[in-house]
Formats: sequence, structure tokens, C-alpha cells
Amino acid sequence: RKEVEQDPGPFNVPEGATVAFNCTYSNSASQSFFWYRQDCRKEPKLLMSVYSSGNEDGRFTAQLNRASQYISLLIRDSKLSDSATYLCVVNSRDYKLSFGAGTTVTVRA
Amino acid sequence: DTGVSQDPRHKITKRGQNVTFRCDPISEHNRLYWYRQTLGQGPEFLTYFQNEAQLEKSRLLSDRFSAERPKGSFSTLEIQRTEQGDSAMYLCASSSGTIGYTFGSGTRLTVV
Repeated sequence: RKEVEQDPGPFNVPEGATVAFNCTYSNSASQSFFWYRQDCRKEPKLLMSVYSSGNEDGRFTAQLNRASQYISLLIRDSKLSDSATYLCVVNSRDYKLSFGAGTTVTVRA
Repeated sequence: DTGVSQDPRHKITKRGQNVTFRCDPISEHNRLYWYRQTLGQGPEFLTYFQNEAQLEKSRLLSDRFSAERPKGSFSTLEIQRTEQGDSAMYLCASSSGTIGYTFGSGTRLTVV
């Protein structure tokens, strides 16, 4: 079983729509959680950390459910520039991050 | 530029040849990581350094792979006797703690 599992999508949404997706992780001892964004043929870039109480960063909202071991990301008022692959990332030990395979989001005009 | 630098950006090599990649991390970061990413997959952990010490190697890292960070600054990843299955993006990242990584632009390896 992979440490981090994600729905690969793709999620194809119109501009202005809301899109949400989540991931699950297998290690209940995981301490830190992140969403990374990766554009085609580019390196992953940190989008936001995910905190236990949930957190927002502009149009992006992340939630963590430790009991069910899943993390979610919601994007409001989608922009064309939000089209990317979103990687769910979990810190399983104090130095190593484990990545999901990514969820592809395409925002159409 | 104070980001993570990787060289080369692209490498095409014939099967059986050796290749070496270089990573220059952010100068104040003591942790350096190598990951490999293939199409449709997330990055997979290969190895990790804290300063010059290599603290973990993934089972993905066969005997043909070796990584060094001789002075705790830049790192090299060498693949000997390359195989077609080695074709991937090799990503280097650095951090000063557990709050996320900064990735380099990667080295895209194609073995023909």
C-alpha cells in the first residue's frame, strides 16, 4: 500500500467553479502535511502547509482529518492559472516527505 | 539566485553509459534530498543527507546508484551502467527543517 493515495482526476472545471479533492495517508504517526503544486514538466512547489484546525490561503482551503487520515484541498473561484497537478505530501519521519501521485486539475475558459 | 540549482537540465545517454548529476542546495540548508519522478507519478524518495552524512538510501537506489555530498554543500548523484528504466526526472531538494522542501528544476534523464 502506498503511503499517500490520491484520486488522479482529472478534474475538469469551468472558470469560477469550486473544485475539491482529497488524499489519504497510511502512517498514523505522520506529523506534517502539505499540498504542493506541479506544473507540466516543472518541479513541485509548496502551495501550503495543512494544519490540524484547517487553514486558508486566499482561494485555497486545506483540511486535515487525523482520525480518518485524510487531507483535503478546496479551490474556490477557479482561475485558468490554477490548472496544474496538486501533490498531497506527508512527513512520515522527521526528515523525509512522501508524495502522492497527484491530482490533475484543468480549469477551462 | 538563491534557489536550488541542478545541472544539467537535460541528459540523453546511451544504455550502459555512466551519468553524473549535480545539485547545489540553498546555502543555509543542511538537509539535501534526491527524488526520482516518472510520468504520472509523484516524486519518490531516493536518498537524504544531513550535512555530509548520508542518512538513508531507498530500496529504489540499486548498487548502480551512488550519491555524495563531500563537504556538506553540493551533492552529486551518479548512475553507472544506465538502463532504460532509469529514464526519469531526478529532483534535488533542500531544507533546514521539516517545514517543506525547496526543489531544484530537476535533471531529465533519457536513456536510449
